[in-house]
Amino acid sequence: DIQMTQSPSSLSASVGDRVTITCRASQIINDYLNWYQQKPGKAPKVLIYAASRLETGVPSRFSGSGSGTDFTLTISSLQPEDFATYWCQQSYTIPWTFGQGTKVEI
Amino acid sequence: EVQLVQSGAELKKAGESLKISCQASGYNFNTYWITWVRQMPGKGLEWLGIIYPADSDTKYSPSFQGQITISADKSNTTVYLQWSSLKASDTAMYYCARQKFVSGSFSWFDPWGQGTLVTVSS
Repeated sequence: DIQMTQSPSSLSASVGDRVTITCRASQIINDYLNWYQQKPGKAPKVLIYAASRLETGVPSRFSGSGSGTDFTLTISSLQPEDFATYWCQQSYTIPWTFGQGTKVEI
Repeated sequence: EVQLVQSGAELKKAGESLKISCQASGYNFNTYWITWVRQMPGKGLEWLGIIYPADSDTKYSPSFQGQITISADKSNTTVYLQWSSLKASDTAMYYCARQKFVSGSFSWFDPWGQGTLVTVSS
């Protein structure tokens, strides 16, 4: 199985901050990397697919970059509704696997 | 609107069987894979398996192969996840999600069902 490692596991930030979360795959996965946001008690929601493509309806303050094994999710200016847990997921090969999550707190 | 609506919370005893459901609407049920994901209390997301409703082609994570069964009923656009003998360690929230594809290869999960909480007492 491909192991996905996110860092940090949690971070504290303020409204307006620029936030960066990284995700590393245990082997090359090209651009087959998705990012999800999950709020407490809710299902995850996709933000970015194929490493850098913004899902329809997702605010442009979210962006993704990277290829191969190293990827980044950036929130350019943190908003109150962005406090949540973020997950990366590889879609290169089955079994699909997720990172361990990054909790963004106030 | 594309929607996946899951069955309600379940409280079961260890050793019992269970089948939970995920009903799809708002799109052609036969042309998208549907996946199941587990989230144990306070933990991360784990992929269980996936099914293509048109022909019931199913793929399982090796970690869950033999522990669960995924099936589909085209007549009521519903996908199921079932256990024949639950364990306390099956206690978790279970999500279904539709798998979207683009460019023939990139895929992601969207949308997700609201989740079904399964609690198994020992």
